[in-house]
Order: sequence, then C-alpha cells, then structure tokens
Amino acid sequence: LAKTTQPISMDSYEGQEVNITCSHNNIATNDYITWYQQFPSQGPRFIIQGYKTKVTNEVASLFIPADRKSSTLSLPRVSLSDTAVYYCLVYNTDKLIFGTGTRLQVFP
Amino acid sequence: GAVVSQHPSRVICKSGTSVKIECRSLDFQATTMFWYRQFPKQSLMLMATSNEGSKATYEQGVEKDKFLINHASLTLSTLTVTSAHPEDSSFYICSAREPPGQGKTEAFFGQGTRLTVV
Repeated sequence: LAKTTQPISMDSYEGQEVNITCSHNNIATNDYITWYQQFPSQGPRFIIQGYKTKVTNEVASLFIPADRKSSTLSLPRVSLSDTAVYYCLVYNTDKLIFGTGTRLQVFP
Repeated sequence: GAVVSQHPSRVICKSGTSVKIECRSLDFQATTMFWYRQFPKQSLMLMATSNEGSKATYEQGVEKDKFLINHASLTLSTLTVTSAHPEDSSFYICSAREPPGQGKTEAFFGQGTRLTVV
C-alpha cells in the first residue's frame, strides 16, 4: 500500500497559485518527502524534496508542518505546461511506492 | 539532477518473442534500481527492485520468470520481457538512486519504454 494520500485531481487557471496537499500519517523518522511531476508517456521528474519546515527551489515550494504527517506542494503562477500528474512520495532508503497522484489540469 | 537513460523509448514486438529494456545511470553509480509498469491513466506500479550483483526482489504478483532482471554493473540494469503477450503491452519505467548514506535520497527516472506486443 502507498504511504500517501492525495486528491485525485485539481483544476486551476493560468497565473494562479496551486497548492497540492499530501497526507502521510505513518511517516517514519528517517523518511524524506519528495514530489515528482509526470507528463504523459514520460518518466517522473523530480520537483522538490524536504524533511521539515519549508523548502523552496526555482519551480516550487514545499511546506511541511512540525508533525510531518502532511505536506503541501505549492506551484506559484501555474501555466498550461504545468498540466501533469503530481506524485508525493515518502521514503528514505527503501523502495519507492507510488500512490494515485494528483492530476492537475491548468486552463487558459 | 542526475541522468537515467532508458532504451529503447518504444518497441513493437510479436507475441511470443522477448524484449530487452536497458536502464543506465549516466553520471552516478546506482547500487539499486527499480522497475515499474504503468498502464494508461494509472499510477506507477513497482515490479521489482534490482540490486547490483545480486538477485532482484520481485513484488507480489510479478512473475520473475517472465520479467527477467539483471543488474550486472553499477550503471546498468536490464529488464527482459520473455515470451511477450499483448497483455504485457505497457509503459515500463526504470529508476535509480545513489547508494544510501551519501546524504542524497533522490531517485531519478528514465524516460520510459512503450512496449506494444502485437
């Protein structure tokens, strides 16, 4: 079973900020939280990874509360090209199990 | 980020034949590689974990004699679909990670292989 739970789908419009929340109630002490993006017929692409608090890079921010039982991927000002499936994974050195992911559809 | 190269990107084969898919880590050594299968509009399903120099660990329900995995070096793992049938048609994706303990936990994915069995 996947360790994470995410909304199945989300819709947004260009220029808006999108926040996708992932629930991982059974996260282990050594687990990292990692988000991937997947376009059709391509392998997943790494977006961001964090352990606690907030992480920001050039494409996204990741917010992790103190209890680490959830996390939120924030995509600022999305564009049409951000339409994709976003996966939240929780792991350390063990195998990577994918949940359902969130299918984000960005409209003009 | 690190690069994982998968080849071929797409292949069509006749029913009953075997197909080999290669997965290479181009700029790092991967002691562990993972193989996934993905059907249309579904998530990635882990098939097996491949460890360099040892036998692969298969997930429940995955036939090890049908999906042969070889991880002969730190940069190459192969998946061979033997005696392929139309129901094996799918998108196969590999993933590689650097050895644990080096402060990195990212996994990198190949571009995937679209297998069509006719």
